[in-house]
Amino acid sequence: GQQLNQSPQSMFIQEGEDVSMNCTSSSIFNTWLWYKQEPGEGPVLLIALYKAGELTSNGRLTAQFGITRKDSFLNISASIPSDVGIYFCAGRSGGTSYGKLTFGQGTILTVHP
Amino acid sequence: GAVVSQHPSRVICKSGTSVKIECRSLDFQATTMFWYRQFPKKSLMLMATSNEGSKATYEQGVEKDKFLINHASLTLSTLTVTSAHPEDSSFYICSAKVLNTEAFFGQGTRLTVV
Repeated sequence: GQQLNQSPQSMFIQEGEDVSMNCTSSSIFNTWLWYKQEPGEGPVLLIALYKAGELTSNGRLTAQFGITRKDSFLNISASIPSDVGIYFCAGRSGGTSYGKLTFGQGTILTVHP
Repeated sequence: GAVVSQHPSRVICKSGTSVKIECRSLDFQATTMFWYRQFPKKSLMLMATSNEGSKATYEQGVEKDKFLINHASLTLSTLTVTSAHPEDSSFYICSAKVLNTEAFFGQGTRLTVV
């Protein structure tokens, strides 16, 4: 089946630093999504990308859909303590929003004040 | 955004018993609901996709008879873990969507089988 490789697995950073994480796949995806999950909660959608090359921002978060359709990255600028959580990428290969999602392994982010 | 609610948020059951988890879309009618399983600090693994009024589609390796899914209405789907065993202990998460939108996730249910 399809697999997503997400890196890094974990990050320990100081408040104010920028963060970058990425996902790669051996197969093509038509949609890339980035989620944040806090302990004991379900994932919350941060950014959705639907076109190759697309660069989208949501506040301090920026994500891009790779040109090859096989990768995506998420950047967080000027991190703050509330950015702590697990960040997941997810890809979908279907042509519409009907298809199932494949999730990356997650990046655990810790921000030290 | 739309709200998806799971109940219960935590449940402890004895080995051999069955437990039902509910997933409700509170302010929209969901054409499709998904059930995921998540182990600690691991990714979400899709278990099944359910459309209202039809049988759920299970992912390879997921036992249909053990994880019963019912999608009786456009706002409610249930997952029943039958004859639960300690290895079924996990975090179960549902998501719900309408056409042409991304799914919204519930808050998850922590199942502990003792």
